[in-house]
Amino acid sequence: QKEVEQNSGPLSVPEGAIASLNCTYSDRGSQSFFWYRQYSGKSPELIMSIYSNGDKEDGRFTAQLNKASQYVSLLIRDSQPSDSATYLCAVNDFNKFYFGSGTKLNVKP
Amino acid sequence: NAGVTQTPKFQVLKTGQSMTLQCAQDMNHNSMYWYRQDPGMGLRLIYYSASEGTTDKGEVPNGYNVSRLNKREFSLRLESAAPSQTSVYFCASWFRGSTEAFFGQGTRLTVV
Repeated sequence: QKEVEQNSGPLSVPEGAIASLNCTYSDRGSQSFFWYRQYSGKSPELIMSIYSNGDKEDGRFTAQLNKASQYVSLLIRDSQPSDSATYLCAVNDFNKFYFGSGTKLNVKP
Repeated sequence: NAGVTQTPKFQVLKTGQSMTLQCAQDMNHNSMYWYRQDPGMGLRLIYYSASEGTTDKGEVPNGYNVSRLNKREFSLRLESAAPSQTSVYFCASWFRGSTEAFFGQGTRLTVV
């Protein structure tokens, strides 16, 4: 059983601040990692994918991966109220995607 | 290009009734998935299909059957619905080498 752990939150940050979302995974052999955003009542949509140790930046989003610690994080800079959503961490193992329970982010104007 | 299409969007069943959730993708993806999402539980994998004619159990397969009819379609069947199967069901597809799994719009199922 693959395990992907996330703090359920809610995480509240003021508009313009940095939001930091964390995820740990149990399978040391996992190679592919993803962050999805899900608005209430909607389908998940991909924000970032990361495969190598280190940081990967895309606009206001930075994904960080540390395979030795089995840890993935997502930083959202200059948070906006439109970023308020649930963020799902996912791991791909042998073509199957396993998801964490999600962290609910609230960005307050 | 519709992506991943699920039908129906909403369904109410009585305990013991059966139904099939339909999923079709037009992206020529090999892999397809069925997930359920319950409050606070994230997405849990029910079944997975790597290609036409192949299926594999996920984390929570009990009470469900699947059929990969062809490369485009992957259906999920509840033979005898139970209240514990009340959930939102998502179908997804992916091809090896892609950075993204694409999701359908979801089916909200209530079993009373």
